[in-house]
Amino acid sequence: QVQLVQSGAEVKKPGASVKVSCKASGYTFTDYYIHWMRQAPGQGLEWMGWINPNSGVTNYAQNFQGWVSITRDTSVSTAYMELSRLKSDDTAVYFCARGPRISLIVVAPGRWFDPWGQGTLVTVSS
Amino acid sequence: QSALTQPRSVSGSPGQSVTISCTGTSSIVGGYNYVSWYQQHPGKAPELIIYDVSERPSGVPDRFSGSKSRNTASLTISGLQAEDEADYYCCSYTGGPVVFGGGTKLSVL
Repeated sequence: QVQLVQSGAEVKKPGASVKVSCKASGYTFTDYYIHWMRQAPGQGLEWMGWINPNSGVTNYAQNFQGWVSITRDTSVSTAYMELSRLKSDDTAVYFCARGPRISLIVVAPGRWFDPWGQGTLVTVSS
Repeated sequence: QSALTQPRSVSGSPGQSVTISCTGTSSIVGGYNYVSWYQQHPGKAPELIIYDVSERPSGVPDRFSGSKSRNTASLTISGLQAEDEADYYCCSYTGGPVVFGGGTKLSVL
């Protein structure tokens, strides 16, 4: 079955960076977009950006431009999200999610997200 | 504050129907049909329940339905069941950034 499995919880100090992985299985990794979202404790969902695993092209939310980097390694069907210059309010659960099939006809990377990874808790604390 | 406005909470009794609204603008929700809805139980990852305004993924019960009128999308859950108690998020894609609503907590009384 289609599955996204994320790396484990992280504890980081302010100013550090964190890199979270998202390993895909059950489908052809390069055929579908991968998105990253986060959810602060008790808060709603916030979209961070997407990657086209086939081309490596990325698109980031304006709030995250300059300090988030989404990459992929097609040899291991894994996407990565790296967030730098961490602050305490970056403490959140970070999710990856599969987007729609990549198409030249209907280009709609944000049309839906299914399935989601299990989430990775990143705690930023001194 | 999200560009998509949802009620903070709604409630209903088992067997009843509830509707959760998601209000945007003509440039968010109004002009596009890429509205999706997600259900999230406590401590779990969100799950897709509606996409393209009113389409249901396979495996999602037909008790869940979606619609849109002008700048407001709606999720209706009929025949409420105890397991429907969860947070619900709407989401809009307009060709640029993805926008989520603030979320609605559904309580089944």
